[in-house]
Amino acid sequence: ETGVTQSPTHLIKTRGQQVTLRCSSQSGHNTVSWYQQALGQGPQFIFQYYREEENGRGNFPPRFSGLQFPNYSSELNVNALELDDSALYLCASSGRPNTGELFFGEGSRLTVL
Amino acid sequence: GNSVTQMEGPVTLSEEAFLTINCTYTATGYPSLFWYVQYPGEGLQLLLKATKADDKGSNKGFEATYRKETTSFHLEKGSVQVSDSAVYFCALLFSNSGGSNYKLTFGKGTLLTVNP
Repeated sequence: ETGVTQSPTHLIKTRGQQVTLRCSSQSGHNTVSWYQQALGQGPQFIFQYYREEENGRGNFPPRFSGLQFPNYSSELNVNALELDDSALYLCASSGRPNTGELFFGEGSRLTVL
Repeated sequence: GNSVTQMEGPVTLSEEAFLTINCTYTATGYPSLFWYVQYPGEGLQLLLKATKADDKGSNKGFEATYRKETTSFHLEKGSVQVSDSAVYFCALLFSNSGGSNYKLTFGKGTLLTVNP
């Protein structure tokens, strides 16, 4: 059984640029959630995708957007990067939406200069 | 709003010591409660959960009891090991839209270091 994998593991961008982060969900899981974890803080919910549709969104601006593909993998896109977007971005998959039993990847560390 | 407050870390213990990490929550209704653990270099893992008042979640020697009267879900272990060194996150699951779109809300995390 393959776990949740994320790419890239680390990346550096400059303010104003755009970034795409990718996530492959665990085998058999149809739901993907994205979280932002700033240094020293707990993860903050960005949004969730279930069967290719957005299924809930946290308090993040529209420049944070996502996609889910037919194989249930997912992308997180962030436009017009700001310095405060520097964080660890976590992807989590689950076998159903609206559950607290999530399987997390190791994250993508984004640094915005 | 709904929130989770964890005790500030870091916590440093000797092997075989008793561990308590405090967690209290604020929520409307009756959320489900979770503890997640993040070992060095790994993703977050679910440690235990409780879905209703007075439920006790347990796993790997860790326990936590859902206390509605004190809105708490404290994590305990009777005898910690060096391998328990990690960051521990308390979390609650709730819906802010009338029964749909549940999401996990996490505390800030508590770093535990266990020395031999």
